[in-house]
Amino acid sequence: QQQVKQSPQSLIVQKGGIPIINCAYENTAFDYFPWYQQFPGKGPALLIAIRPDVSEKKEGRFTISFNKSAKQFSLHIMDSQPGDSATYFCAASTGGGSQGNLIFGKGTKLSVKP
Amino acid sequence: KAGVTQTPRYLIKTRGQQVTLSCSPISGHRSVSWYQQTPGQGLQFLFEYFSETQRNKGNFPGRFSGRQFSNSRSEMNVSTLELGDSALYLCASSGTGRNTEAFFGQGTRLTVV
Repeated sequence: QQQVKQSPQSLIVQKGGIPIINCAYENTAFDYFPWYQQFPGKGPALLIAIRPDVSEKKEGRFTISFNKSAKQFSLHIMDSQPGDSATYFCAASTGGGSQGNLIFGKGTKLSVKP
Repeated sequence: KAGVTQTPRYLIKTRGQQVTLSCSPISGHRSVSWYQQTPGQGLQFLFEYFSETQRNKGNFPGRFSGRQFSNSRSEMNVSTLELGDSALYLCASSGTGRNTEAFFGQGTRLTVV
C-alpha cells in the first residue's frame, strides 16, 4: 500500500515557469512533510519541509502548500531555472522528534528548458 | 562538517552471496536510516537505528539486516543476494530534537549478477 502518492511522474517547463508537484497521503499520523531534490549520481538533499500546523512555507524560490483536511501538499518552484532540473521527492513521517523513518513518493522528474 | 559517508560506492556481487555496506553519519548524529532506491519502487525505507538499537523497520525480508556501533557508524548486510536486490542503497543520518533533518549520503550502487 503506497502511503504517499506523488504526481506527475515527469514535468517539462520553460525557464521562468512555475512547476507544481503534488502529493497526497493517507496516514493522518504523519507529522512532518519534507521535499527532497536529487541529481543523478547523488543522494537526495532536503529542499524544504513543513509540519501540519501551518498551511504554507516559503524558502527562497521554493514554496510548500499544505491542506490538512484534504491530506495533500504541493511544491511550487518560482522562476524555475535549468539548474533546477532534477528529480523531486515528497515524503512524510511520523517521527515527531526524528525524521529517520521517511515514506517517499515515487518522484517527479523535472526538466526546465532554457 | 563532513557529510554522510558511504562505502563502497559501487559493488558487484553474484547471486547467493552476501554483502555488507557501511555508513558513517555526520558527527554528533545518533540516528542512521537505510533506504533502497530502485527505478520501479522508488525510495523505500529499510530500517532506522538510534543509539545502537533498531528503532523502526520497513517491510523487507529478514535477509536485510543492520547494526549500529557505539560511534554511531552503521552497517547494513544483505544475505543470499537476489537479482532484485540490485539497487542504490542510501544511508541518512539525523540529529535529535523536533527540527532536525535527514542528511543523505551518495549511496552504494549494488549490482547483483
